[in-house]
Amino acid sequence: DSGVTQTPKHLITATGQRVTLRCSPRSGDLSVYWYQQSLDQGLQFLIQYYNGEERAKGNILERFSAQQFPDLHSELNLSSLELGDSALYFCASSVESGFYNEQFFGPGTRLTVL
Amino acid sequence: AQKVTQAQTEISVVEKEDVTLDCVYETRDTTYYLFWYKQPPSGELVFLIRRNSFDEQNEISGRYSWNFQKSTSSFNFTITASQVVDSAVYFCALSEAPDYGGSQGNLIFGKGTKLSVKP
Repeated sequence: DSGVTQTPKHLITATGQRVTLRCSPRSGDLSVYWYQQSLDQGLQFLIQYYNGEERAKGNILERFSAQQFPDLHSELNLSSLELGDSALYFCASSVESGFYNEQFFGPGTRLTVL
Repeated sequence: AQKVTQAQTEISVVEKEDVTLDCVYETRDTTYYLFWYKQPPSGELVFLIRRNSFDEQNEISGRYSWNFQKSTSSFNFTITASQVVDSAVYFCALSEAPDYGGSQGNLIFGKGTKLSVKP
C-alpha cells in the first residue's frame, strides 16, 4: 500500500458526461501528479500540482482540468467524455516537486465511457 | 526529445530462470533520473528503484539488480531466480531536470514489458 488513495475505483459513464476523480496524497507529500494509462498511448503524464499550485502540464486535453485543495487532496475533472477517454487514471504523490523525487502511485481509477 | 524504449513487449520464463528486462533512454540532459516501476495484475504501480545520472554503480536488492550504463543509455533490470509472484508489467521511466526542457518531475514511461513467470 503506497499510502495514496483514489476514489472511485471504477467508474462507468456515458459519452458527453462529466466525472470527477479524487486523489489523496501520502501524508506529508505536497506534490500530486495525474497520469493516464491507455492501451494506445501507454502511461502519459497529464498534470502536476504542488502545494495547491499548478506546476506542469503534459498531454492534458482542454476538456480535462484539475485542482489541488488546501488539504492537498486533488481532483481531476473530465468533461464531454468520449469513448477514447476510457482508461486507467493514476494519481501519484511525492514529497516535493523536483524531478529527482520518486513518485508513489495510487491504485488508479478505471474509467469506462460507453 | 526525451524517450524511453522497452523493446521487449512480452517475456515468458519458467520459475527459477534469470531474466533481464531492457530499457534504453534518450535525453539531451546530463542531469536526469531513471526509475523502474512494477505493475502486477492487480493494477497498481509499485516503485522499485531510482537512479541518478551521476551514479553508475550497479545496485542489487535481493533477487533484483539494476545495470546502468551511460555509454549505451541503458538501465537494465535483472531478476534472478524468478518466481511466479514476479509476473507483472515492468515500466522503465525517465525524469529530466527542468533546465533542460524537462518538467518539474513528470515521468516519461516506456511502453512496459510484460513478464510471465510460469511454475
